Amino acid sequence: AQSVTQLGSHVSVSEGALVLLRCNYSSSVPPYLFWYVQYPNQGLQLLLKYTSAATLVKGINGFEAEFKKSETSFHLTKPSAHMSDAAEYFCAVTGVSAGNMLTFGGGTRLMVKP
Amino acid sequence: GAGVSQSPSNKVTEKGKDVELRCDPISGHTALYWYRQRLGQGLEFLIYFQGNSAPDKSGLPSDRFSAERTGESVSTLTIQRTQQEDSAVYLCASSQEWTVNYGYTFGSGTRLTVV
Repeated sequence: AQSVTQLGSHVSVSEGALVLLRCNYSSSVPPYLFWYVQYPNQGLQLLLKYTSAATLVKGINGFEAEFKKSETSFHLTKPSAHMSDAAEYFCAVTGVSAGNMLTFGGGTRLMVKP
Repeated sequence: GAGVSQSPSNKVTEKGKDVELRCDPISGHTALYWYRQRLGQGLEFLIYFQGNSAPDKSGLPSDRFSAERTGESVSTLTIQRTQQEDSAVYLCASSQEWTVNYGYTFGSGTRLTVV
């Protein structure tokens, strides 16, 4: 079984500041981890994914995430926030035994202040 | 098609009526998923189709919910005798193969409002 916890349902940062969105997972098998972004009135778009290769994963729009097994974490970061980053972000996990079934966290809404 | 297409994009229905939501997956994608997203909440898994295998219906919340898919084509999610708690965005996603490396491609969703 897998589960995902995203700490902070809302995160607010100033434009140009560091973005840090937290994700902790639980998985009984080696996990595969994903971050998705959802812009207003749109579907979810894949930002990046960890599938047991490099632990530091780079995605689109300057985002990256680091898989830390000892901490069961997969936090999403971006060095400098842009107004266009305002959206909802979802962390998701699956495992080999779960086929391709993703379990999603509750989401974090990122707000960027000018 | 180029992406996952869902229709209608918005649906307002009266309590007690039946609704049918449609999902057109990306051509060639063998796996298709339905999720529900209630306001301010995460994604709740509903049902999963993989090729011609029996679907995984473990996420359907009640027997008022059902879904069909013929082969690797269109899927319809039906909600009978809708209740106000059914109000949510219903998201469909498809995936190329039975492997996590491909991830999902999501549609834009159907926003269902039960009044």
